[in-house]
Amino acid sequence: NAGVTQTPKFRVLKTGQSMTLLCAQDMNHEYMYWYRQDPGMGLRLIHYSVGEGTTAKGEVPDGYNVSRLKKQNFLLGLESAAPSQTSVYFCASTKLGRDNEQFFGPGTRLTVL
Amino acid sequence: GQNIDQPTEMTATEGAIVQINCTYQTSGFNGLFWYQQHAGEAPTFLSYNVLDGLEEKGRFSSFLSRSKGYSYLLLKELQMKDSASYLCAARSGADYKLSFGAGTTVTVRA
Repeated sequence: NAGVTQTPKFRVLKTGQSMTLLCAQDMNHEYMYWYRQDPGMGLRLIHYSVGEGTTAKGEVPDGYNVSRLKKQNFLLGLESAAPSQTSVYFCASTKLGRDNEQFFGPGTRLTVL
Repeated sequence: GQNIDQPTEMTATEGAIVQINCTYQTSGFNGLFWYQQHAGEAPTFLSYNVLDGLEEKGRFSSFLSRSKGYSYLLLKELQMKDSASYLCAARSGADYKLSFGAGTTVTVRA
């Protein structure tokens, strides 16, 4: 099993450009999450999904959109990138059930100039 | 909102013990997680507590007091490879959302 994978690993954008980050998991997990990690601030939840076709806002959703058309994939979109969106983005997934932890992907390092 | 507090940095000597404290204020709390994150890498799961008490897993132990909103991670027999950031996260709600602290950077010296 590959676990949780993210594409791309690195990306540099100019202000106003758009892009999509792809997260894929092969563990048949129901729940998927997108976080951003900034120095001194820890991981913050952007959006999440509790199943195929459903999404919900997290703590910092502004400027981002998501889609979960297939159970194994969770896409994070930036329609018009801003320098404040420079960050490391992590995707995570977990199986339904109280005693299950979240598994994290390797991260995408995004720089917006 | 959620509020998770943990120290920013700790330094310890190889072979020693270090205790990382975490306090939380989370509505709908249903579990406390500890993750380890090496620089430039993804967080990896260390431990989980949902009931009060101590959970031991090899050199790592984690404690939870739900009434006090308090947890700690105990790292014993420290090794150089334990130098990393340790993230405390409180889970809440039926959506299993995690709220993370800013992380504690542990530096192990020879």
